[in-house]
Amino acid sequence: GEDVEQSLFLSVREGDSSVINCTYTDSSSTYLYWYKQEPGAGLQLLTYIFSNMDMKQDQRLTVLLNKKDKHLSLRIADTQTGDSAIYFCAERPGGYNKLIFGAGTRLAVHP
Amino acid sequence: GAVVSQHPSWVICKSGTSVKIECRSLDFQATTMFWYRQFPKQSLMLMATSNEGSKATYEQGVEKDKFLINHASLTLSTLTVTSAHPEDSSFYICSARDRGSPVQGTYEQYFGPGTRLTVT
Repeated sequence: GEDVEQSLFLSVREGDSSVINCTYTDSSSTYLYWYKQEPGAGLQLLTYIFSNMDMKQDQRLTVLLNKKDKHLSLRIADTQTGDSAIYFCAERPGGYNKLIFGAGTRLAVHP
Repeated sequence: GAVVSQHPSWVICKSGTSVKIECRSLDFQATTMFWYRQFPKQSLMLMATSNEGSKATYEQGVEKDKFLINHASLTLSTLTVTSAHPEDSSFYICSARDRGSPVQGTYEQYFGPGTRLTVT
């Protein structure tokens, strides 16, 4: 089956690191994605990871993938107020064009 | 960067009427467009995949006669909600796949800003 789960809310202090977690069920997923949605805006692709990778780093973003546990995480270093948004985890099941999204994690950054 | 627009951004209609939502890729050609529905505090649910010049592929549980999709050109797809009812009220989001993709073995879906539909 296809199911992606993530916690709904995370609050962090400005300057701290944020870690958003996600679990998925489809072991055939070839790519996993993190999208960011700001109020009133469309989804913006932040980063993605191929299923044969364990980690990917892109500036302040670090993605960790545990394929055995089907667990994906996004770490944002030095979190800023501009990082406040909803973050969606998504998987792309093998052989399909479509994306399966989680419910989104609302990140709130406070001073 | 690639931009996808949606029109209208919000619409209020009466129960029983039909509403058309447009999704346009502004600076690239999209062979494939996707229509999603998003409920408050819930994930995006894929409704259908639209390929230019062919019939849309609907996800299980989505009524194709109620949600009509037309992808007549490489830059435009439309979603028509027919005989709308209050339970159709939702946030509808489209995305488009760049015809020039993939990049590095994957591809990016570019998302529109969404259309909020309220049926009274």
